[in-house]
Order: sequence, then C-alpha cells, then structure tokens
Amino acid sequence: ILNVEQSPQSLHVQEGDSTNFTCSFPSSNFYALHWYRWETAKSPEALFVMTLNGDEKKKGRISATLNTKEGYSYLYIKGSQPEDSATYLCAFIRDSSYKLIFGSGTRLLVRP
Amino acid sequence: GAVVSQHPSWVICKSGTSVKIECRSLDFQATTMFWYRQFPKQSLMLMATSNEGSKATYEQGVEKDKFLINHASLTLSTLTVTSAHPEDSSFYICSARKGGLTNQPQHFGDGTRLSIL
Repeated sequence: ILNVEQSPQSLHVQEGDSTNFTCSFPSSNFYALHWYRWETAKSPEALFVMTLNGDEKKKGRISATLNTKEGYSYLYIKGSQPEDSATYLCAFIRDSSYKLIFGSGTRLLVRP
Repeated sequence: GAVVSQHPSWVICKSGTSVKIECRSLDFQATTMFWYRQFPKQSLMLMATSNEGSKATYEQGVEKDKFLINHASLTLSTLTVTSAHPEDSSFYICSARKGGLTNQPQHFGDGTRLSIL
C-alpha cells in the first residue's frame, strides 16, 4: 500500500501571512509529483508537475520544492490572500501509468 | 486551455437504478481518462483507467461489472454505476490526460455527487 501523507490537514491564516504545507510520499519508485489546487464547487486545477530531485517551481506567490531521496515536497504561499482559500492536493506517480495517488489534502482558509 | 466537462453534476435516484456519468475533453484529445471516487473526509481514490478503444483497467477492489467504463472516442469516457445502492453514494470525478506528453498534469471535470436513496 502506497501512502501519500499531507500535513497539516487544515490551516487558518490571516491575510498577508506566508504559509507552507508538506506532502510525504514513498521515496522508492518515484516518477512524478503533482500539486493541485481545489476550490469548492470547482474542478482541481494543476499547480505544478515536479519530476526531478531538487526541483523548485514557482507560479506567482506559490512555489514548491521536491526532495525525492527523502520523499517530501513543500508548497509555499507567500502573502496569502483570501482567494488562496482552497484545498491543496498532492499526488504521487510511481510509473508511466500516470496513475495519481492522492494525499488527503490541506484545507487552507485565509481570513481577510 | 484543457477543459474537461463532466455531467451530471449531481444525481439523486432510487436504489436499483443505473446511473451514467459522462466525461468529455472539450479542446484536446485524451488517450487516457481516469475515474476517481471520494468518500467523505477521505482522499480521491483511483477506480479505473480508461484507454480509448480498449478495456478499462480497474484498481483492486473495484468491481468491473458494477462500474462499467466505456471510452469509445478520444474525447469521451463514460462511467455507468449499475444497479446502484446506497453504499455507492459518493463523489465521482474524472480526469483526462493529453496523449504523448510525459510531464503534463491531469485535467479534471467538476465531479458528480451521487446520492442513492
């Protein structure tokens, strides 16, 4: 059984705060890691596709890092805004089947 | 863009009814589509992988005769929950992958909330 763990489960921050979440995954048989942002009543939106150890990706105020040897990825949000409120999902891919193994997500609420 | 449309958004029906959910890629061809299910307070769990023109591959514990998947074209996959019962009530969501590109995310529909009375 492959476990993908995300922490924290939920997070409440004040507007302007910076925050980060963790995704842990098996360090063996790594193929790729995806981050998705899922707002209520919408479809999950892809943030990052990460494939190489040491990868760092950035999209506006959101960035992510990847450590495949120790099996974790961090997602950072700088200067959180209320519109960042969503559930952030990471998904592990172990081979070219591209099957996503999801974590349970981190639910972020940014208070104005 | 890469838009995936899923219908219906929600279904309420009686026990014993069969329910069909459609997943369409609107602006790209999807050689592979995936079907997921999410129970309350749990993560998205892959049910099956749907490949155009071939039989779907089901994950362990998912009954293929219960959850019929058809991927007849490069833009449409359907999931039919046959003779649905209350324990099949869940959130079902599809995703599609553009063919031939390795480092691409999956594109998701909005999901279908199924309630069986």
